[in-house]
Amino acid sequence: DTGVSQDPRHKITKRGQNVTFRCDPISEHNRLYWYRQTLGQGPEFLTYFQNEAQLEKSRLLSDRFSAERPKGSFSTLEIQRTEQGDSAMYLCASSLSRGSVYEQYFGPGTRLTVT
Amino acid sequence: AQKITQTQPGMFVQEKEAVTLDCTYDTSDPSYGLFWYKQPSSGEMIFLIYQGSYDQQNATEGRYSLNFQKARKSANLVISASQLGDSAMYFCAMREDTRGELVFGAGTILRVKS
Repeated sequence: DTGVSQDPRHKITKRGQNVTFRCDPISEHNRLYWYRQTLGQGPEFLTYFQNEAQLEKSRLLSDRFSAERPKGSFSTLEIQRTEQGDSAMYLCASSLSRGSVYEQYFGPGTRLTVT
Repeated sequence: AQKITQTQPGMFVQEKEAVTLDCTYDTSDPSYGLFWYKQPSSGEMIFLIYQGSYDQQNATEGRYSLNFQKARKSANLVISASQLGDSAMYFCAMREDTRGELVFGAGTILRVKS
């Protein structure tokens, strides 16, 4: 099964450190999304790419966050100078941009704990 | 602005019975899609069902159906013949067709009792 994969699944880091997460989308999907989910809440949109172009960014994506999708395949999300408020599950999703449904398929997430 | 409201923090249902999970939405865009996702305790988000704003009939996928009432801006999920494996968090979400992102509600925890 070649679903969306994310690495690492868990990350514990100390406040002030930088972290980077990777997402590999479903191979034929040209759109890739990043969401953040805190305990007991629904996912919140961070940013999305169509191929290698970053098309939308949420105001939640502060200057400490940066995302890339250099060749239109996998994507990385980097958080610089982590804060305790960054502790959350980071979800990646992918979809096609053809057709009318565009359902997004999610990966298993990366759980970040900032101590 | 897009907004999704799920007013039921938690629901219980007896195994084999049907259950309805409520969802209301707000948007000024005439073209949009409504989605339901299931999130078991393992954490993955599983796509269940989709309804487009111009679809005339309610969507169905196996035991899942979406009760779409456009004038009331509601998109309730109906699960028929509940199974123990249906116990999970359920999220309603919306995407305006001019945008890419999904906007999610706060979710409803469903517990199926045997």
